[in-house]
Amino acid sequence: ELKVEQNPLFLSMQEGKNYTIYCNYSTTSDRLYWYRQDPGKSLESLFVLLSNGAVKQEGRLMASLDTKARLSTLHITAAVHDLSATYFCAGEPNAGNNRKLIWGLGTSLGVNP
Amino acid sequence: DTGVSQDPRHKITKRGQNVTFRCDPISEHNRLYWYRQTLGQGPEFLTYFQNEAQLEKSRLLSDRFSAERPKGSFSTLEIQRTEQGDSAMYLCASSSTVSQPQHFGDGTRLSIL
Repeated sequence: ELKVEQNPLFLSMQEGKNYTIYCNYSTTSDRLYWYRQDPGKSLESLFVLLSNGAVKQEGRLMASLDTKARLSTLHITAAVHDLSATYFCAGEPNAGNNRKLIWGLGTSLGVNP
Repeated sequence: DTGVSQDPRHKITKRGQNVTFRCDPISEHNRLYWYRQTLGQGPEFLTYFQNEAQLEKSRLLSDRFSAERPKGSFSTLEIQRTEQGDSAMYLCASSSTVSQPQHFGDGTRLSIL
């Protein structure tokens, strides 16, 4: 059964510095997703990573996938306050037609001036 | 694209009462998912529909929970004889093709008194 682990669970960032969130998963997964959630709000899709070596970038965020290591990373470049939120990674179990997502616990990011 | 719509946004009820939530997916999406999220956790898969067929239901879901998607359009999630442990945010998501992310609604927050 697929399990997804994120670390760290909390990250206090300084503006202008770079940080990385790690997402490990236990069995093979077809796809890996990153979502953002602001307090009291729903989930916003950030990236879909479809294959080994996939790299996606949007603004200050870059996500990558290493299927051999069963690891995805979300890299934050020059953190700014607007990035404060909880970030989740989620994987799809490699079975059947159901594309349900199995989620990590989330990484809560805060950016300090 | 009007997004995924959920109703109501908040529901407060007494223990033992029945509640029903509604989800209207993005119109061209044939896949619909229900998840539950509690504070500090990632979403937990509840059930999945492809068109009108309910193809998977989480084994963690008790018999008090039932979901329908008549005619493959909107979906309802009913909880009978609510318990304190049912308090959570109930999220609905929809997607089209397998390589696209799931789009989430704003959720229904259920509070059991």
